[in-house]
Amino acid sequence: EVQLVESGGGLVQPGGSLRLSCAASGFTFSASWMSWVRQAPGKGLEWVANINIDGSETYYVDSVKGRFTISRDSSKNLLYLQMNSLRAEDTAVYYCARDPVRWSWDYWGQGTLVTVSS
Amino acid sequence: DVVLTQSPLSLPVTLGQPASISCRSSQSLVYSDGNTYLNWFQQRPGQSPRRLIYKVSSRDSGVPDRFSGSGSGTDFTLKISRVEAEDVGVYYCMQGTDWPTFGQGTKVEIK
Repeated sequence: EVQLVESGGGLVQPGGSLRLSCAASGFTFSASWMSWVRQAPGKGLEWVANINIDGSETYYVDSVKGRFTISRDSSKNLLYLQMNSLRAEDTAVYYCARDPVRWSWDYWGQGTLVTVSS
Repeated sequence: DVVLTQSPLSLPVTLGQPASISCRSSQSLVYSDGNTYLNWFQQRPGQSPRRLIYKVSSRDSGVPDRFSGSGSGTDFTLKISRVEAEDVGVYYCMQGTDWPTFGQGTKVEIK
């Protein structure tokens, strides 16, 4: 059974940092592109970042470029999202998802809530 | 950016009746490989999104056959042949032909 379990969310002040993790199991993580997708409270879905199978290619939505970094450790089946210089508008539930082809996410985690507030 | 416009945004439906959601794109979603990367996701209350349909009309494993997707180019539709109580939630179209974007979501509720 495929499982994606996010952790690391919480309350952080504006300008602060947070690192999210996503533990993957039930599929060949090292052969899968992976993504982070977020959802602000009561709002729709927004793609945040993508990483290829060996971590050599990363892509970001414009609003997080230069502030967020996606990475992976395939020896541990872990996906990360390092979030720096956090803003109130980054407040959201962050989901990790497997990307089989061109962002057609087939498996999603349960999400972890990030709240940026003073 | 590709803009996806869904309609309606709210869809009250009687149990057992059909439902249809439209998704219109600001540009053609046919990719250079010939595929059209238009997907549909369901998000039940309090749950994570779940993919229902990929590449316009391919239904995911475990998705009831009352769900179907159709369309081409810039106009796409998700149909539910007979709405059941478990279908309540928000439905999003999403394109991966260009940098990924989602429609605003359509909230399906029971009348």
